[in-house]
Amino acid sequence: EAGVTQFPSHSVIEKGQTVTLRCDPISGHDNLYWYRRVMGKEIKFLLHFVKESKQDESGMPNNRFLAERTGGTYSTLKVQPAELEDSGVYFCASSQVFPQARTEAFFGQGTRLTVV
Amino acid sequence: ELKVEQNPLFLSMQEGKNYTIYCNYSTTSDRLYWYRQDPGKSLESLFVLLSNGAVKQEGRLMASLDTKARLSTLHITAAVHDLSATYFCAVPMGNQFYFGTGTSLTVIP
Repeated sequence: EAGVTQFPSHSVIEKGQTVTLRCDPISGHDNLYWYRRVMGKEIKFLLHFVKESKQDESGMPNNRFLAERTGGTYSTLKVQPAELEDSGVYFCASSQVFPQARTEAFFGQGTRLTVV
Repeated sequence: ELKVEQNPLFLSMQEGKNYTIYCNYSTTSDRLYWYRQDPGKSLESLFVLLSNGAVKQEGRLMASLDTKARLSTLHITAAVHDLSATYFCAVPMGNQFYFGTGTSLTVIP
């Protein structure tokens, strides 16, 4: 069974440009999460989808970030326009049910975004 | 907000030695997860600790959870090179995980 897959693995863009990250969750997982790790700090929650609906986007840093999950399958995270502080590793995770329900989330390999 | 503190941030240890990584968290939780990440790879689930006093072992790694002390430990026994990686602890609350800062472990010959 395929795991969580993220594209691209790396992206280097200039400040002011737009970047779109993609996440393909494990098939059948209704829950999809985006996380970000900045500058060797802790991995922080960005948002949570249940199927195609945004359940919680409290971790999104500002309105330059837009996440979508059309059809409840793959998700995209767009940063427009990118700023230097957006650099970091963006992780996607999926799960069948919430972590609270005593299951675990499966993570992708992350997309390393560098804004120069 | 739940805070998760993990230490050390960096750990360089010789092969064959033992060491412990610590994970403290600020709010009551009866569960904790440990993940491992190799460069460019996915976060890989190592242990899921589901109750106070839970202890799990896999090879040279052993994880424990003390929910009263809000502390989890990841103990490395007789380290070998292929344990070099970054290790994260994570506490679930609501619909998200709260992660520690990660411990970058390098095992040197």
